[in-house]
This record gives sequence, structure tokens and C-alpha cells, in this order.
Amino acid sequence: GENVEQHPSTLSVQEGDSAVIKCTYSDSASNYFPWYKQELGKGPQLIIDIRSNVGEKKDQRIAVTLNKTAKHFSLHITETQPEDSAVYFCAARANSGNTPLVFGKGTRLSVIA
Amino acid sequence: DTEVTQTPKHLVMGMTNKKSLKCEQHMGHRAMYWYKQKAKKPPELMFVYSYEKLSINESVPSRFSPECPNSSLLNLHLHALQPEDSALYLCASRPDANYGYTFGSGTRLTVV
Repeated sequence: GENVEQHPSTLSVQEGDSAVIKCTYSDSASNYFPWYKQELGKGPQLIIDIRSNVGEKKDQRIAVTLNKTAKHFSLHITETQPEDSAVYFCAARANSGNTPLVFGKGTRLSVIA
Repeated sequence: DTEVTQTPKHLVMGMTNKKSLKCEQHMGHRAMYWYKQKAKKPPELMFVYSYEKLSINESVPSRFSPECPNSSLLNLHLHALQPEDSALYLCASRPDANYGYTFGSGTRLTVV
């Protein structure tokens, strides 16, 4: 089955700097890769996703890149703000039937003002 | 309506109690999920419902009993839980295989 590794487990950056979180996956059949942000006391919120037919996707300060050959994908947050502080989870899934998402272990991002 | 609504937000129950968690969505999503999340851990899949039928049960103990009365509602019935079952219980839904999940805010369950 799919295995998703996520690094780092914690990340501290100064406000205004960039943050990068990296994930690797094991199943070459996986073709959908979402990123979730979870704030304290809340459920995970989808912030961006990418499918395997695309190498990069950007939404304002957030971007995701995918390297299918190396089986890794990354989240990039530019011009970080204190409200970006949260736990971020990557996930992967093969796009067939009810195959569920497999999550990475999460990265706790702290943006220091 | 673009939300998954979970009730109650908090629940404290004794080990002999019976309680239910409720999840509701009106987005027409046909796949619905129950996840369990312990502190500082990723969500852990419990059950998957597809078109109101249970399609995946991740070897969850029988003290957790899911139910999908209709396409908008998902319940999780709890009975004889243990303190280690204390966690955040998350419901999620998605329209079809081409999309990601929408999560609810969860029910924070404490078993005493």
C-alpha cells in the first residue's frame, strides 16, 4: 500500500521568509496529492492540491510542485505570516474507486513575528 | 452550503455510556468518511461510506458502529468505549474520485 513520508516535523521561520515542506510517496499509481492545513481545535482544511498530469500549481502565496519520477512533492509558502502557523499534512491517493487518502505525519509550522 | 457539520463539538462520556456522533453535509457528496485523530498525529481512517453503503472498515473495534441513514447524514454510534478512545473524531466527504475531502471541525471526545 501507499506510504507517505513528510519532512520536517517542525519548522520555524521568521515572518516574511519562505517555508518549504517536502513529502515522498511510494505507490507509483498515486495521482492525486492534496495539502491540508490544520489549526488548533479545527478540522484539516484543503489549501491546495495537484494531480499527476501537472508539475506545479500556484495559488497566491502557496505553491505545490510534483516530481513523479522521484515520487516527491513539496509545499512552498512565500511571505509567511503569523496566521500561517498551523500543522500541515500532505497526502496521496490513487485515483480509483474509494481508495482513501494516505496522510503524512504532519509538519508544525511556526511563523515568528 | 459548502460545509461538513459535526455535532456535538465536545463530548465527555463514561465507559458504560452509549452516545452518537453526527455528521451532515448538503453538498451532494456521495463518499463520506470517519477519521480518528490523536494529538500530534495525522488523521487515521476508520470507515468509508460510498453511496450510503459501507465500503471500507479499517478493522475498527465493534464498540464503534457507523451508520449512514441517507446521502447527507453519517452517524458514529459509541458504546463501552475505553479511555484510549479519547480523540478528535473527524468526518469528511468528497463528491467523487477526482476531488479532495472536505473535513468537518470534528468532535472532541473524552472517555472517563
